[in-house]
Amino acid sequence: GDSVTQMEGPVTLSEEAFLTINCTYTATGYPSLFWYVQYPGEGLQLLLKATKADDKGSNKGFEATYRKETTSFHLEKGSVQVSDSAVYFCALSGDNYGQNFVFGPGTRLSVLP
Amino acid sequence: DSGVTQTPKHLITATGQRVTLRCSPRSGDLSVYWYQQSLDQGLQFLIQYYNGEERAKGNILERFSAQQFPDLHSELNLSSLELGDSALYFCASSPRDGSSTDTQYFGPGTRLTVL
Repeated sequence: GDSVTQMEGPVTLSEEAFLTINCTYTATGYPSLFWYVQYPGEGLQLLLKATKADDKGSNKGFEATYRKETTSFHLEKGSVQVSDSAVYFCALSGDNYGQNFVFGPGTRLSVLP
Repeated sequence: DSGVTQTPKHLITATGQRVTLRCSPRSGDLSVYWYQQSLDQGLQFLIQYYNGEERAKGNILERFSAQQFPDLHSELNLSSLELGDSALYFCASSPRDGSSTDTQYFGPGTRLTVL
């Protein structure tokens, strides 16, 4: 079945450092890809998404590009802030009937001042 | 604020008991999804309802059941509770039937503690 693999972390960075969280997927067909963020004590929030190959999703300084050739959707941010500390989930939504979201295990990011 | 509401926020109960979690989707959304998040299992999809009908089933135990009502709100019923059922339960909603371009929006969750 479909699956998502992402680096589990935790990832610890200093403020203003460059962030990359790797995400690769296995899926049949042409899934949509998502990044969700979960701040402490809260639910998941949609951060960005891409629905077809070569699409770039972006929001709040975060970016990810849908790379079909490498089956990847890596999350990047040029300069992280303390307020970015959270758990980040990569997810896919397949195009098979009844297929639902498949989430990666989540990556905990801590940004130190 | 995603527009998805869940009640209650916290629930503490004893083993063997039964509880009901409630979810109201975003206005206009037709699908509701239930997820369980625990420390050791991560985020697990339980079940999806679309416009009142069960659409997809994930790792949902037989002790658990759900339904979606005509006004599109949903309830998740957990019975014969065990200590291992302690977790965060999230509801999400999406505009359509969960096809690949549909986007899910999550509620704040219900934290269930079974003592």
